[in-house]
Amino acid sequence: SQQGEEDPQALSIQEGENATMNCSYKTSINNLQWYRQNSGRGLVHLILIRSNEREKHSGRLRVTLDTSKKSSSLLITASRAADTASYFCATAGNTPLVFGKGTRLSVIA
Amino acid sequence: NAGVMQNPRHLVRRRGQEARLRCSPMKGHSHVYWYRQLPEEGLKFMVYLQKENIIDESGMPKERFSAEFPKEGPSILRIQQVVRGDSAAYFCASSLRGLGNYEQYFGPGTRLTVT
Repeated sequence: SQQGEEDPQALSIQEGENATMNCSYKTSINNLQWYRQNSGRGLVHLILIRSNEREKHSGRLRVTLDTSKKSSSLLITASRAADTASYFCATAGNTPLVFGKGTRLSVIA
Repeated sequence: NAGVMQNPRHLVRRRGQEARLRCSPMKGHSHVYWYRQLPEEGLKFMVYLQKENIIDESGMPKERFSAEFPKEGPSILRIQQVVRGDSAAYFCASSLRGLGNYEQYFGPGTRLTVT
């Protein structure tokens, strides 16, 4: 299975701190995507990184991809209370997206 | 420019009844995906459809579940003879192009409760 697995399962930080979440997967991929889900809502796409890319930025988000280690990380800098949510990585090969179980991030004001 | 729409948002069914979930993709998107999410879990892929065609239904149970995406109208996920284990949130997503090569836009989900 190419399912991504996020680590840690839960993370609690103070507002202003950085949050780092990791994702590991098992098979080769075309791209890896990160999504956010606020409680009880649908997922929101954050960033897509292709297999030939190593790092990508979007605002306060920084994503890295290491295909040799089959891992990715999502860094949220200067976190805000509004960043409180679950974050999922999803891997894409020649199949539909496969999601991990997510990291639940709590940012305390 | 409306996003992905799903209805109903909440659906309560008794065991043995049928549940019908609807999804209207974003304008211009012809690729639709259905996912199921249990509490505290990630999303599990169920089925991928393109207009009038089922492309991949590998994640959908073979019995009681069916999906369609007609030429006109929304995509429908149908669950016949529901059981308590079908209680979950069902999300629909759409994309401009297929498979996982492009970002997917998600609807707000339908929360199905089977009593």
